[in-house]
Amino acid sequence: NAGVMQNPRHLVRRRGQEARLRCSPMKGHSHVYWYRQLPEEGLKFMVYLQKENIIDESGMPKERFSAEFPKEGPSILRIQQVVRGDSAAYFCASSPGLAVEQYFGPGTRLTVT
Amino acid sequence: QQQVKQSPQSLIVQKGGISIINCAYENTAFDYFPWYQQFPGKGPALLIAIRPDVSEKKEGRFTISFNKSAKQFSLHIMDSQPGDSATYFCAASPTGNQFYFGTGTSLTVIP
Repeated sequence: NAGVMQNPRHLVRRRGQEARLRCSPMKGHSHVYWYRQLPEEGLKFMVYLQKENIIDESGMPKERFSAEFPKEGPSILRIQQVVRGDSAAYFCASSPGLAVEQYFGPGTRLTVT
Repeated sequence: QQQVKQSPQSLIVQKGGISIINCAYENTAFDYFPWYQQFPGKGPALLIAIRPDVSEKKEGRFTISFNKSAKQFSLHIMDSQPGDSATYFCAASPTGNQFYFGTGTSLTVIP
């Protein structure tokens, strides 16, 4: 059973460009979570999605950030008009349901130049 | 506001020793407490988790101790090995919707 897949693993964008991060959950998992990790810090929750629905986006910045989890295909975290402060590691996690273990992917390291 | 406070920030332990990492929380709605291990450049990996209906859970060399009244929980790594050198995160969740993570403890086990 393959784990959570994320791509790309590393992404470099210039200020003002768009960053698109992809996450394929573990087989059988319908719950996806996105977290951001800044250097020397813990993970900060961004958004929780189920297929075709955003369940909780309380951790998402109000502007420039959006997420989706379509019926077919991976979950996507989109950051428009990136700024230097968006440079971080973005992790996706998946779980088979609520109140159970979340399994993390290897992360996408975004660098904004 | 940090929902889960973790200490120490860094820890150095001799091989064979016991590593102890502590976490504290305030929100009594939290009902699931996992610990994650993260190596540089990798995603966090679930180590062990506990729910508040038990005071201790052991899996191999890893033990979680949970004190519901004090709202504290800790990770004990027995017989610490150099391969245990990593960053450890505690977390807490009220419903499983989102996890609140501690700020991490960098563990170094000296051979």
